Amino acid sequence: GQNIDQPTEMTATEGAIVQINCTYQTSGFNGLFWYQQHAGEAPTFLSYNVLDGLEEKGRFSSFLSRSKGYSYLLLKELQMKDSASYLCAVKAAGNKLTFGGGTRVLVKP
Amino acid sequence: GAVVSQHPSRVICKSGTSVKIECRSLDFQATTMFWYRQFPKKSLMLMATSNEGSKATYEQGVEKDKFLINHASLTLSTLTVTSAHPEDSSFYICSASRQGMNTEAFFGQGTRLTVV
Repeated sequence: GQNIDQPTEMTATEGAIVQINCTYQTSGFNGLFWYQQHAGEAPTFLSYNVLDGLEEKGRFSSFLSRSKGYSYLLLKELQMKDSASYLCAVKAAGNKLTFGGGTRVLVKP
Repeated sequence: GAVVSQHPSRVICKSGTSVKIECRSLDFQATTMFWYRQFPKKSLMLMATSNEGSKATYEQGVEKDKFLINHASLTLSTLTVTSAHPEDSSFYICSASRQGMNTEAFFGQGTRLTVV
């Protein structure tokens, strides 16, 4: 079966850094994705990891350790507009994505 | 710009009626599309995999006779919620990926269905 865990909610201050962890246990692994979703909108793609290590893209970075079944999304220099839900998703067989429960991040001034 | 278009974005229907939601890939062909359902403050739950030219594959617990999926062309999949009830009210989202395994999923804008 598929099991993807991430914290439900996190709060951080504008300008700070927040790290969102994701652990997974899946049958098959073809990559891990992070998506951002604002309330009432569709998810938008942030990052993709298939090999171990860190992928950096501007203020956002994502890390993967396949042996540990672990990933994190790092958000730097937080802005108010970063308040959103962040979804960890694993691609297993074919193109099927299984999502974690999502982490709501609240950025405070 | 958007590469997957979903229509309508909002729909209100009466109990017992059916509603059709369309999902189109705009600049690529998608042999497979996915339909998700999302409850407030919850994550996306995969309902079914839509396969062009063949039957959809439904996830456990999803009623195939209630949520009819048709994928008649390489750019269009439809989800029809039949005999809708208030408990079917939800946010429905489709996704599609370009060919190749290691590609991101593009999501439609989502459809907010309210059954009254």
